[in-house]
Formats: sequence, C-alpha cells, structure tokens
Amino acid sequence: KAGVTQTPRYLIKTRGQQVTLSCSPISGHRSVSWYQQTPGQGLQFLFEYFSETQRNKGNFPGRFSGRQFSNSRSEMNVSTLELGDSALYLCASSFGREVVDGYTFGSGTRLTVV
Amino acid sequence: AQTVTQSQPEMSVQEAETVTLSCTYDTSENNYYLFWYKQPPSRQMILVIRQEAYKQQNATENRFSVNFQKAAKSFSLKISDSQLGDTAMYFCAFMSNAGGTSYGKLTFGQGTILTVHP
Repeated sequence: KAGVTQTPRYLIKTRGQQVTLSCSPISGHRSVSWYQQTPGQGLQFLFEYFSETQRNKGNFPGRFSGRQFSNSRSEMNVSTLELGDSALYLCASSFGREVVDGYTFGSGTRLTVV
Repeated sequence: AQTVTQSQPEMSVQEAETVTLSCTYDTSENNYYLFWYKQPPSRQMILVIRQEAYKQQNATENRFSVNFQKAAKSFSLKISDSQLGDTAMYFCAFMSNAGGTSYGKLTFGQGTILTVHP
C-alpha cells in the first residue's frame, strides 16, 4: 500500500515569504503529526490533527499553523519565514486514538530559507 | 515533561557483529510506549521496534531486540548480525498513552549515528 506522501521534497524560499507543505497519510489513517528536524534542536513536535481537529500543539510560534481535510490530508503553513525555519519537516500518520503500530513517517520536505 | 536521552552520538560495528544502542527516559507516567526509529540518508524515519510499557516481555523483531528496564527507565536496542544496510541514524522515542497533550506527540532523543563497516 502507498506510504505517507509529502510534497514538495525540496523548497527554497526567501525570508519573509510564506510556505505551505502537504502531507497525504496512509489510507485509513486519521491522525497526522508534524515535526521539525534541525541539526541543533533535533526532532521537535509541531502539532497533531485527528478528524480535522487539532488535538495537540507543540511550542512553536503562531507563524506555524496547520489544518486537516476531510480525506485526512494535512497541510502546514509557515508565514513570515525566518532563516531559522530552515529544516526538514516530517509528517507521520497513524490510525488514531490508540498508538498500536506506531507512526509511519513520510520522507519529509527540506525547506531552505535564504 | 518527558525527556529522552541517547548518550552515544556515534557508534560503529563490524558487519555480522552485535551492537547495543542506549536510551534512557524520564517520565512520571505509568502507561506509555517506547519506539526505536531508523533514519537512513534517504531521510525517511522507519519504525524498527516498539514496546508497550505495561508489557514486561522485551520486544523482538528479527535481528532487533530491546532490553526494557521500566524501573531504571532504560530502553536499549540490540542489533544482531549487523548488516551494511543498518547504517543510519537511530532515534529512541517516547509516547504517552494519557491522551490530551500527549496526542500524536513523540518525544525523541538526539539520535545515535550507527556505521556498519564491511
């Protein structure tokens, strides 16, 4: 079956712009989580969506937002980009309310802010 | 807040040998899950093995096994018969089963780079 698909794979943006990243979960998965991965801070949790509702949010500024659609696809948006937002953004999906099989990750979107 | 610590930034092993990666965690909860993920250069995080805290039996998946010591809050990964394809960054991760602010949130360690030499 198809895995978690993240698009685009690479993105270069200018400071001050905004960006939207997309994540299509595995069919049947209703929970989608987003993570930021940087060499300095490691993997940090951004937010989690389940059935179009944000259930949990990490410690990131309001410039980071997300949403989930009725087909469970999710997008995250970063407004007013800063150089420090350069990172690998990973999404992960799961069936939802019970962590039975762990989360399946996509290959990520590499965002570079110049 | 939970924390996960991997004290070995880098490890190396010869092909066919055994290596153990260390992980400790800190939590006040009693019901949680622990995971080991592998991230090769392709960037995709791949689930290697998982352990439910309420299960005393250590999880195994083929060449991968864990040593789960709940009282000591230790969760090490043993890789037997190491293969070149095992070369990757390995992350230990914690997830609470308490719901609420735990939904969907994996707390990761800083990772251990494992290199398997031929």
